[in-house]
Amino acid sequence: DTEVTQTPKHLVMGMTNKKSLKCEQHMGHRAMYWYKQKAKKPPELMFVYSYEKLSINESVPSRFSPECPNSSLLNLHLHALQPEDSALYLCASSRGGLVLDTQYFGPGTRLTVL
Amino acid sequence: AQTVTQSQPEMSVQEAETVTLSCTYDTSESDYYLFWYKQPPSRQMILVIRQEAYKQQNATENRFSVNFQKAAKSFSLKISDSQLGDAAMYFCAYRGPYSGGGADGLTFGKGTHLIIQP
Repeated sequence: DTEVTQTPKHLVMGMTNKKSLKCEQHMGHRAMYWYKQKAKKPPELMFVYSYEKLSINESVPSRFSPECPNSSLLNLHLHALQPEDSALYLCASSRGGLVLDTQYFGPGTRLTVL
Repeated sequence: AQTVTQSQPEMSVQEAETVTLSCTYDTSESDYYLFWYKQPPSRQMILVIRQEAYKQQNATENRFSVNFQKAAKSFSLKISDSQLGDAAMYFCAYRGPYSGGGADGLTFGKGTHLIIQP
């Protein structure tokens, strides 16, 4: 089973709202990732959690806040977003470690910021 | 920084024919991994095939195969007997050696939109 689930599928929020995206995997993976994908563009890495250690793409604004409550769950907390943050947010997971580490992606959350 | 280049924004092929998608990359590492992912309009990113740089043998998965030329930093994808379900955006992706951090993320090319003509 290589399933990564993401909720919600779609999210519309105003610039003053606070919302969260959720990602879950039950493959025993120890690395989880958030990517942002604008229309007709490739995904861009935002955050990596590897063995509960967070690594941040320094270009990601602080209005995005990741959280990894346990090795199966990954959240992305959103606050005071801008319309340009509207995009598809993809979660991925992988085994982690010194192996051929294939990332498996969830279906994504389509975010619209009004 | 590593870069991945896909020079074909769009490709079209007749059903049952063979098509090759190009990918080149730039890295100073000797140990790395390369992937082809497929993203249909339904948007789920699906792994097509993967290659470890230290392996000289080209990877093959059913109708999908790669031509990995390490010295030339080239990683092309060949799709044989194209089917309507192969229509999608194809992304070439690079991952460097394990770091336990941000470098473990994938660097993607801009993608090639593959159209299958019935």
